[in-house]
Amino acid sequence: DAMVIQNPRYQVTQFGKPVTLSCSQTLNHNVMYWYQQKSSQAPKLLFHYYDKDFNNEADTPDNFQSRRPNTSFCFLDIRSPGLGDAAMYLCATSRGGQGKTQYFGPGTRLLVL
Amino acid sequence: ILNVEQSPQSLHVQEGDSTNFTCSFPSSNFYALHWYRWETAKSPEALFVMTLNGDEKKKGRISATLNTKEGYSYLYIKGSQPEDSATYLCALNYGGSQGNLIFGKGTKLSVKP
Repeated sequence: DAMVIQNPRYQVTQFGKPVTLSCSQTLNHNVMYWYQQKSSQAPKLLFHYYDKDFNNEADTPDNFQSRRPNTSFCFLDIRSPGLGDAAMYLCATSRGGQGKTQYFGPGTRLLVL
Repeated sequence: ILNVEQSPQSLHVQEGDSTNFTCSFPSSNFYALHWYRWETAKSPEALFVMTLNGDEKKKGRISATLNTKEGYSYLYIKGSQPEDSATYLCALNYGGSQGNLIFGKGTKLSVKP
């Protein structure tokens, strides 16, 4: 029944060591989003894909990249994780447009040592 | 910078108590307001999407109201149960492409049996 799946649920990486988080969906939605939530903060949008069109938020650091090889999968790549990148990373999907529900995965909690 | 404020930050109630919390947002950038429930170790779950001033929505014991002119929404839980314990997130569609959301920090509700 899982609609938006994120793997792994917990990820430990070393300072500066590239890491990839993955997200898949069974909803066939056009739009996939990545959010970052740091401790006690609001989830913050990093970027989204509308089909293959990539849209970066203006304040998303260059260290964060994303790939969407097909409709079902989307990856978040952190090229050189710093201690400040430790956070919960949430993936979501929607049909796109205002007022459409976004469906979330359970998140990946990233720890940077 | 658009800001979505939620209060209180946390709430502890006894089973059977009714409770409510607030989401405030800038009324000038409103397209839709979303409420999510996020239980620990699970995916955020969509509760309501509200678009019209004066909207009232209900799902079981949970209901929500919306005032777009003054920029606030209330979420009510009648007769709280331990399974209502979760973080309740409010998010604003502000007109960004593909229905991008700006989230509040959430209200963490704990219901004691």
